[in-house]
Amino acid sequence: GQSLEQPSEVTAVEGAIVQINCTYQTSGFYGLSWYQQHDGGAPTFLSYNALDGLEETGRFSSFLSRSDSYGYLLLQELQMKDSASYFCASSGGYSTLTFGKGTMLLVSP
Amino acid sequence: EAQVTQNPRYLITVTGKKLTVTCSQNMNHEYMSWYRQDPGLGLRQIYYSMNVEVTDKGDVPEGYKVSRKEKRNFPLILESPSPNQTSLYFCASSLASGGGEQFFGPGTRLTVL
Repeated sequence: GQSLEQPSEVTAVEGAIVQINCTYQTSGFYGLSWYQQHDGGAPTFLSYNALDGLEETGRFSSFLSRSDSYGYLLLQELQMKDSASYFCASSGGYSTLTFGKGTMLLVSP
Repeated sequence: EAQVTQNPRYLITVTGKKLTVTCSQNMNHEYMSWYRQDPGLGLRQIYYSMNVEVTDKGDVPEGYKVSRKEKRNFPLILESPSPNQTSLYFCASSLASGGGEQFFGPGTRLTVL
């Protein structure tokens, strides 16, 4: 089976940098994805790390360390619209995309 | 426009009344999946399908059925809904499983009384 742990809530101010951590315990781990979800809407894909290291996409970056079973999502130059829930998800081959319980990010002015 | 559609978006029903939630994608994706989302529990996979006529159970399959007769459609069937199936349901599709981007539908909010 697979399980992922991430903080339930993170707060930050506009313009700041925030890091959302994710640790996982899995069998047959393929990679780590990150999704954003606004207020019960459809989750949208942010990034995927199959290999160790940092992936950068605009203001968002994602990191993976397989040896530590750990990853994080880094959000820079925070904007109010970044207030949302963020989910890490591990993929275990053909079948499963197992999600963490989500981190609610609150960005204040 | 590339998209995943679900219908209905909202449904209130009563215990035991069979229902089907439809899911369709227009991206020719092989992999499709159903999730339910409950407060504090994140998204949990119900069933997935790797291609036509190939389906398998996810983490919480009890009380649900699926079928994949066509590549674009992946309906979720609740034969005898119960109140503990009240939830927000998402269908998703992707080119392949094993990671990478999954495209989610807009969600179906189901209430079983």
